[in-house]
Amino acid sequence: EAGVAQSPRYKIIEKRQSVAFWCNPISGHATLYWYQQILGQGPKLLIQFQNNGVVDDSQLPKDRFSAERLKGVDSTLKIQPAKLEDSAVYLCASSLGRGAIYSNQPQHFGDGTRLSIL
Amino acid sequence: EDKVVQSPLSLVVHEGDTVTLNCSYEVTNFRSLLWYKQEKKAPTFLFMLTSSGIEKKSGRLSSILDKKELFSILNITATQTGDSAIYLCAVEANYGQNFVFGPGTRLSVLP
Repeated sequence: EAGVAQSPRYKIIEKRQSVAFWCNPISGHATLYWYQQILGQGPKLLIQFQNNGVVDDSQLPKDRFSAERLKGVDSTLKIQPAKLEDSAVYLCASSLGRGAIYSNQPQHFGDGTRLSIL
Repeated sequence: EDKVVQSPLSLVVHEGDTVTLNCSYEVTNFRSLLWYKQEKKAPTFLFMLTSSGIEKKSGRLSSILDKKELFSILNITATQTGDSAIYLCAVEANYGQNFVFGPGTRLSVLP
């Protein structure tokens, strides 16, 4: 099966600019996650979707970050305006159902987008 | 606040050594604990643990969970250079609404 696809792989922007990341989950996966992984740290969950509805976005900095999952398939994550501390790898993951116990492999991760803010 | 702590943060061993990685947690409504291996890109899934005291095993890797003491260990025996990676521990909390990752243990296996 095809894995989770993310684009772009790399993005370099200046602070205060805007940027968008795209994620295409594995076909049939209802749940989609966006994580932020800062260098030297573990991934931090930003937002979780179940189909096209938001399950949890309590850790998403909503003053500058937004995410949508129209039609319950692809998703985009946007940052506007970017700050220096947003430099990180943004990982998208998907799973069949909500919660790890619904699958033998809880979350399939994409390769991520590495964002550098100058 | 949900929290996952891993130790050590970094470890250097030689091929053939056995290593033990630790993960402790404090979360609301624990559901499962997950181990991932991260090389250069996406984390890859190793184990999911939901019940205390039951060892999960895959080749040279094994893991066990202690829900009373709120920790898990990941053992790797007869390490190889290909085991060099960051090992991430994650806990599924709040009825599947949150996944909390630890900072990871960076393992380097020297030939």
